Amino acid sequence: GDSVTQMEGPVTLSEEAFLTINCTYTATGYPSLFWYVQYPGEGLQLLLKATKADDKGSNKGFEATYRKETTSFHLEKGSVQVSDSAVYFCALGLNTGGFKTIFGAGTRLFVKA
Amino acid sequence: SQTIHQWPATLVQPVGSPLSLECTVEGTSNPNLYWYRQAAGRGLQLLFYSVGIGQISSEVPQNLSASRPQDRQFILSSKKLLLSDSGFYLCAWSVERTGGTYGYTFGSGTRLTVV
Repeated sequence: GDSVTQMEGPVTLSEEAFLTINCTYTATGYPSLFWYVQYPGEGLQLLLKATKADDKGSNKGFEATYRKETTSFHLEKGSVQVSDSAVYFCALGLNTGGFKTIFGAGTRLFVKA
Repeated sequence: SQTIHQWPATLVQPVGSPLSLECTVEGTSNPNLYWYRQAAGRGLQLLFYSVGIGQISSEVPQNLSASRPQDRQFILSSKKLLLSDSGFYLCAWSVERTGGTYGYTFGSGTRLTVV
């Protein structure tokens, strides 16, 4: 069935370090791919998205490229800040009735000053 | 602009008591509406979604039910809560029909503790 697998956390980095959070998916058809971010005690916010192969989504210094050949959508940022500490969710959007979204388990990121 | 309201923010309920969580959306018409649950330290589980008034799809059979009495109102209910119902409940809306261009907008969540 359709699923999303992302790297387990927590990931702990020093400020200004390079970030990669891996995400791979299994899906039939041509899903859309998303990254959401959840700050402590809050709901999820859409961070970036890509709707077709080779699309690159970007926002707030984060970016991810839709790789159909490797079924991946890895999240990257060149220089993380303490304020980036949060839980990051990779998600798969299915083009079915109601447009369901399947989420990965989330990866917690801690950034130390 | 579109906004989503979810309440209450926190709730502590005894086992066996009823539950009603409400979610309303403003600034859009005929949205898709969703209820997700996030257990402690875990990912999101889709509970219910709705593509229109009175139309509810259940993803996981359990102790909960959902209703959509109005276009922009989505209610999550239970007649008798279980300890395992504890978690962080998130409402979301989307204008997607196909294409995945917009993603979801989430409410701020309700933290439910069943004691």
